[in-house]
This record gives sequence, C-alpha cells and structure tokens, in this order.
Amino acid sequence: DTGVSQNPRHKITKRGQNVTFRCDPISEHNRLYWYRQTLGQGPEFLTYFQNEAQLEKSRLLSDRFSAERPKGSFSTLEIQRTEQGDSAMYLCASSAYRAGDNEQFFGPGTRLTVL
Amino acid sequence: GIQVEQSPPDLILQEGANSTLRCNFSDSVNNLQWFHQNPWGQLINLFYIPSGTKQNGRLSATTVATERYSLLYISSSQTTDSGVYFCAVSSNTGKLIFGQGTTLQVKP
Repeated sequence: DTGVSQNPRHKITKRGQNVTFRCDPISEHNRLYWYRQTLGQGPEFLTYFQNEAQLEKSRLLSDRFSAERPKGSFSTLEIQRTEQGDSAMYLCASSAYRAGDNEQFFGPGTRLTVL
Repeated sequence: GIQVEQSPPDLILQEGANSTLRCNFSDSVNNLQWFHQNPWGQLINLFYIPSGTKQNGRLSATTVATERYSLLYISSSQTTDSGVYFCAVSSNTGKLIFGQGTTLQVKP
C-alpha cells in the first residue's frame, strides 16, 4: 500500500492557462475526494466520487473546474482559464467507504501558483 | 452546515510539556478525524475517532459525541510535534469539514 499519490507536486502557470492535476488513490478505495486549501485556512471540500460516479460538488467548484474518475481508479481535476484566486494547495483523499467507517487518507497535494 | 471550532488557535510550549487541543462541532457527526499537517503540507492521520478514547504513543484523543466535542492530548511534547493540527468531521455525506486548525510550536 503506497498511499495516495498526486502529480504534479507543484505547478506554476500564467493566468488564463488550463491546468490538470492527477490523483491516484489507495488501491481498492472506492471513494475519492478533492479539497482545496489556501494559506492559513483548513482544507475545503470541492467534490467526491464513489467509484466512477461524481456524487457531490461544492458551490466552490465553479464552471471552470471539472473532475473525472473515468474507471473508478485515478481522478483528474482540471481548471480552465486559471485566475490568480485559484492559487492554492489542491488535496486529494481516498477512503474505503462502508457504513460506520469512512476514514480518509490524504495525498501530498499539488501546489498551484497562478501568476 | 456543520461548524467546527478549534481552540486555541496558537500554542507555544517548551519541550517536555503537555497540551490539550479542543474541537467543538455544531451537529451530530458520523466521522471525526485528527490530522497533523507537516511543513510540506501533507496531512498525517492521527486518529479516526467518532466516539470514545484512543491512544497512540504520546498522543491520545477523546470524543464525546453527545456533547459535540473532541480533545487531542499531546504528552511530553517534542520539537517534531510542531505544526498545524486539524480536526475534521463529516455527517452522512462523507465530505470532511475542517476547523481552522491549532498551530503548535514546541521550543527546545
């Protein structure tokens, strides 16, 4: 079990460019979550998947954001037409969800800087 | 939605001291987790504790679900304990709602 992995670890882009992040969850974890963390704040929920189905999206997830988990394994988060306000740490977590147990394990994050 | 409040926001200790961090939440929860965020931003799982008491080495945690709070105890603190400690809760939806964190600095 190698834990949750995220790529890239750092991304610097210019305003208006598109970026895509990847998350590989712990093997056989059926739930995958995306969160965003800005400086000095706790992480905030963006969206989550159970297998390949996207079950909930936060109001924080504007139309410029899209997430996929096509085969119920890895997931991608794309931000189109990036803005400086998108600069943040993007965190992915996974869990082996079952009734009464939903402990989430986090990856190292992707730090995005929009110039 | 559920509100999560952590206290104190900042804590400075001398190495060897003990400390208690508190997490209050505003509604019933199915999941409560404590994390330590290291300087590189990685969230390290400390406890999954929706109720009851658990211990892991110098750390222990207690959640009193009926009174909507959880406590994290750190005994004999070490400089490597420094960082931000987060409490996070979830209800039926599964998404975690985080507090603002407690920033701990342990001085040698």
